[in-house]
Amino acid sequence: TQLLEQSPQFLSIQEGENLTVYCNSSSVFSSLQWYRQEPGEGPVLLVTVVTGGEVKKLKRLTFQFGDARKDSSLHITAAQPGDTGLYLCAGAGGSGGSNYKLTFGKGTLLTVNP
Amino acid sequence: DTAVSQTPKYLVTQMGNDKSIKCEQNLGHDTMYWYKQDSKKFLKIMFSYNNKELIINETVPNRFSPKSPDKAHLNLHINSLELGDSAVYFCASSPRGTSGRNTIYFGEGSWLTVV
Repeated sequence: TQLLEQSPQFLSIQEGENLTVYCNSSSVFSSLQWYRQEPGEGPVLLVTVVTGGEVKKLKRLTFQFGDARKDSSLHITAAQPGDTGLYLCAGAGGSGGSNYKLTFGKGTLLTVNP
Repeated sequence: DTAVSQTPKYLVTQMGNDKSIKCEQNLGHDTMYWYKQDSKKFLKIMFSYNNKELIINETVPNRFSPKSPDKAHLNLHINSLELGDSAVYFCASSPRGTSGRNTIYFGEGSWLTVV
C-alpha cells in the first residue's frame, strides 16, 4: 500500500522558474522529511518538519507541513540547474508509519534547464 | 571520513549465487537500516535494527538475512539470488529511530545486478 502520494513524478523547467512538489497522505505522520538524491549517491536529508503548519526555509527552498500532518509541500523559487535531482518525501511515525522506518513517496525527478 | 559506508558499490552476479553486502557507520548511532531502491527509484524499507536487535522486517523473503554483529555494523546476506533482486541497496543509520528530528544518514548504495 502506497501511503505517500508524491506529485508530479517528473518536472522539467527553465532556470529562474518557480515550482512546487506535493506529498499527500490519508494517514497522519508524526514527522515528514524531504530528501534530495543525486545520481550514484544516497538520499541526503534537506529538512524535517514535525509540527502541523510548520514552515521551514532553506535558502530558495520552502517546506510546509500541513495542519493535519498528512501532507507537505516543497516550493523552490528561481530554480537553478544545480537544483536538478530526485526529490523524495518520507514520513515517520504516526498512524501512517513507524518510529523505526521511513515511508517514502515515489519521488519527483526535477530537471532545471539553463 | 564517510559516515555510512557500504561495500561493494557494484556487484554483478549470476542467478542462484549467494552474496553479501557490508555496512558500517562511524556515527555512534543506535539504529541501522537496509532499504531497497527499484528501477523506478522507489525506496522501500527492508529491515531496521536498534542496538543489534531486529525491529522491522518488512515482509522480505527469507533469502535475505541481515546480521548485526555490533551496533556499528549491519550486513545483508542474500541466498539464491533471483533476477528480481537486481536493485540498489542502501544502508542507513540514525541516532535512535526515525521519530522527531532524527537525521537519517544514507550510504552511497550498492548496485546489485543479477544476470
